[in-house]
Amino acid sequence: LAKTTQPISMDSYEGQEVNITCSHNNIATNDYITWYQQFPSQGPRFIIQGYKTKVTNEVASLFIPADRKSSTLSLPRVSLSDTAVYYCLVGYNNNDMRFGAGTRLTVKP
Amino acid sequence: GAGVSQSPSNKVTEKGKDVELRCDPISGHTALYWYRQRLGQGLEFLIYFQGNSAPDKSGLPSDRFSAERTGESVSTLTIQRTQQEDSAVYLCASSLAPTQETQYFGPGTRLLVL
Repeated sequence: LAKTTQPISMDSYEGQEVNITCSHNNIATNDYITWYQQFPSQGPRFIIQGYKTKVTNEVASLFIPADRKSSTLSLPRVSLSDTAVYYCLVGYNNNDMRFGAGTRLTVKP
Repeated sequence: GAGVSQSPSNKVTEKGKDVELRCDPISGHTALYWYRQRLGQGLEFLIYFQGNSAPDKSGLPSDRFSAERTGESVSTLTIQRTQQEDSAVYLCASSLAPTQETQYFGPGTRLLVL
């Protein structure tokens, strides 16, 4: 199982861009990189998934360098409602992906 | 459409009692997952179903934990002889297929063992 490492917590202010980096040095060739968001008292929610280079959707961007040993989730112009825990997962089969402790993002006014 | 539902939303039980937690996945989703989340911690994988079979039970913490799925739909997680350390939120998720597809999570069942 590919192991991921991400910061335990981050603080930001409204309107700023937030970048959360995840390290996954032993990522396998078939593995995808998936990010989930979890608000208090709710189950996680899918944000974005990628394999290489850059992926963008209406919520976030995901940057993956050529060696794929890390990835960066970018949240543009965060608001207070983006305060949540963000999980980086790596794997091909969903049951092989592991939710670690995640990164607790706090957005301040 | 309807999302993943779980029942009960909250359960308080006494140590030593058995509990059953239910998950109704999204219709048509062949894969179903159970996780446990202790307060302030990440999700701990428990078990995965593909159809009615459980090819991965690696996360079940002890033989007091078991799960089944019937009709490629509803799943039940059973905890026998509950202990205080079983207190947690139990989350269920389903996905269209077991690889790469988005997992959709239910709201969870908050279990408190006194």
